[in-house]
Amino acid sequence: DQQVKQNSPSLSVQEGRISILNCDYTNSMFDYFLWYKKYPAEGPTFLISISSIKDKNEDGRFTVFLNKSAKHLSLHIVPSQPGDSAVYFCAASSHSGGSNYKLTFGKGTLLTVNP
Amino acid sequence: GAVVSQHPSWVICKSGTSVKIECRSLDFQATTMFWYRQFPKQSLMLMATSNEGSKATYEQGVEKDKFLINHASLTLSTLTVTSAHPEDSSFYICSATQGSPYNQPQHFGDGTRLSIL
Repeated sequence: DQQVKQNSPSLSVQEGRISILNCDYTNSMFDYFLWYKKYPAEGPTFLISISSIKDKNEDGRFTVFLNKSAKHLSLHIVPSQPGDSAVYFCAASSHSGGSNYKLTFGKGTLLTVNP
Repeated sequence: GAVVSQHPSWVICKSGTSVKIECRSLDFQATTMFWYRQFPKQSLMLMATSNEGSKATYEQGVEKDKFLINHASLTLSTLTVTSAHPEDSSFYICSATQGSPYNQPQHFGDGTRLSIL
């Protein structure tokens, strides 16, 4: 049972446009969400996170939106640049204690930004 | 900041060999490190949580005698795949948190591609 789902395996956008990557989760105990970016042959790089007490967090060109009622979050990249082309992973964890701080990852979405 | 180094990046060895992978936090102390495994086109799957000075916590289905984890210092955790077989071939990646793993992002190494012949 996949608790974090990224239903789009790939996304292609034009340079300068907005990229929107989506992520759904099923575990209502998740309260901390992260986005990672991964280039081939490298480890994931942390991009941005959001706590469940917020519905939006912004960092430069990256904005994460959280809709708790829909158990949905999205990452907006604007404007998109060719260097943003990578696999983006959504991850979630819980602060409920014990070992629940472990991250649960989605399968990733390959973003291609065309010049 | 928050750099995690993983070594080696690529290992090819014969079946039955034991392979050790190192994970180091270069510019911070990491009380907690994590070991993941990734199969092609799949998500990262947590294998175990490594705590400095104590035994690792393994996820369900992960053989602790097969995947030995040692976290001897605040900057180093090692994963040893004992008597590796072809089915152990995979991409192994570690991560570490700077501070509490509850509200700090995990920072990842670049992974180790393990191929068992």
